[in-house]
Amino acid sequence: RKEVEQDPGPFNVPEGATVAFNCTYSNSASQSFFWYRQDCRKEPKLLMSVYSSGNEDGRFTAQLNRASQYISLLIRDSKLSDSATYLCVVTPGASNYQLIWGAGTKLIIKP
Amino acid sequence: NAGVTQTPKFQVLKTGQSMTLQCAQDMNHNSMYWYRQDPGMGLRLIYYSASEGTTDKGEVPNGYNVSRLNKREFSLRLESAAPSQTSVYFCASSVALNYNSPLHFGNGTRLTVT
Repeated sequence: RKEVEQDPGPFNVPEGATVAFNCTYSNSASQSFFWYRQDCRKEPKLLMSVYSSGNEDGRFTAQLNRASQYISLLIRDSKLSDSATYLCVVTPGASNYQLIWGAGTKLIIKP
Repeated sequence: NAGVTQTPKFQVLKTGQSMTLQCAQDMNHNSMYWYRQDPGMGLRLIYYSASEGTTDKGEVPNGYNVSRLNKREFSLRLESAAPSQTSVYFCASSVALNYNSPLHFGNGTRLTVT
């Protein structure tokens, strides 16, 4: 089993819709979680950190479910500019700083 | 403010050739990293440098060497390129080696080894 798993998609979603996708992780000792966004043929950029209590940044909501070992990203009122690949990133444990990256979920917002 | 600058953007090598990928950051970050990204896989850490003067192996260091030339610059060298090293390479930096420091990436280098 991969340490971090994501549905590769693509998720084809009409503009204005709400879309959500999950990321599962295998190491129960993982401490920190992040979502990065990567546009086609560009570098990854931090979208948001994921806190235990969940957090929201505008149209984006991230949640953590430690019991089931997954994090989620919800995008409301999707825009064409949200089209990208969303990368889930997990830390392996308390003392290991090498981030574990998912392969990403591709999102395509259609007009 | 350029952020993280990588050169070259594209490179084609023949098997056995060598090359150095250059990376520089102007954000006064302490930590720097080299990743590779392959289709269908997450980014994999090749080497990292927690601070000037230190380097450590990541998940996939074989076939690579690095140099932290100074606080700004962190280069990646392929001594004898192999087709398995065909990939997109990203340099990144962060304020420090901790979870609260987001990574800032360069634009990437697309390397093809024939």
